[in-house]
Amino acid sequence: DAMVIQNPRYQVTQFGKPVTLSCSQTLNHNVMYWYQQKSSQAPKLLFHYYDKDFNNEADTPDNFQSRRPNTSFCFLDIRSPGLGDAAMYLCATSRAGGSSYEQYFGPGTRLTVT
Amino acid sequence: KQEVTQIPAALSVPEGENLVLNCSFTDSAIYNLQWFRQDPGKGLTSLLLIQSSQREQTSGRLNASLDKSSGRSTLYIAASQPGDSATYLCAVRGNTGNQFYFGTGTSLTVIP
Repeated sequence: DAMVIQNPRYQVTQFGKPVTLSCSQTLNHNVMYWYQQKSSQAPKLLFHYYDKDFNNEADTPDNFQSRRPNTSFCFLDIRSPGLGDAAMYLCATSRAGGSSYEQYFGPGTRLTVT
Repeated sequence: KQEVTQIPAALSVPEGENLVLNCSFTDSAIYNLQWFRQDPGKGLTSLLLIQSSQREQTSGRLNASLDKSSGRSTLYIAASQPGDSATYLCAVRGNTGNQFYFGTGTSLTVIP
C-alpha cells in the first residue's frame, strides 16, 4: 500500500544534541510537510517542500532545518534541541496540481528531550 | 491569516447517539476542507475531504458538510460507537499556496 513512513517512531535525545527525523513516501507526491504537535494542540506547520522549493513558516525557529534529497524522502534536523522541542513531529504529503490536494499523514515521531 | 476554530473542545456522549462536530474558518477563500481523526499518540487519519465546490461528503456513518460563504463545516457521526472515541481535527487549504490550517480539535468520548 502507498503510504507515508516515519522513522523512528520514538526518539529520545539529550538537551543540545542534534537529532534527525526521517520521512519517506511511496505516493509520489510533490509536496511534503513537517508539523510539530504538542499535547492537546493543533499541528503547527514548520515548513513544506513543493518539489525542491523550500517554504519556511515565518515563526519556525532557526533551530529547525529540513532537507529533501529526492521526491521520496524528507528529513527534519533539530540542531540543538531544547526541552520545549519535545513534541510529536508529523510528516504529511500532498499532490499539488492534482484535483483534490488531499493530505496524507505518517504515524508521527514522538521526540523526548532529556 | 486563516484562523480555524473547533467547538466544542471536548464532547462526551452515550453509545448510539448521533452527534455533530463543528469547524469554523475566517477566510472563505478555501480550496478544500479535510476532516481527520487522531487517536492518542498517533498520526492523523483522513476521514473526509470536501472540495470548495461541494456541499457535503459521506463515508459510512460519517457525513461532512461545507458552507463556504458562512465559513463553517460540520462532521455528523451517526449511531456513535466506543471505537469512535478520538480527537477530530479539521483543516482548510486556501486558494493560494500549499499550506493547510488546522483547528485545535474536538476530543470525543463515546461511553458504552
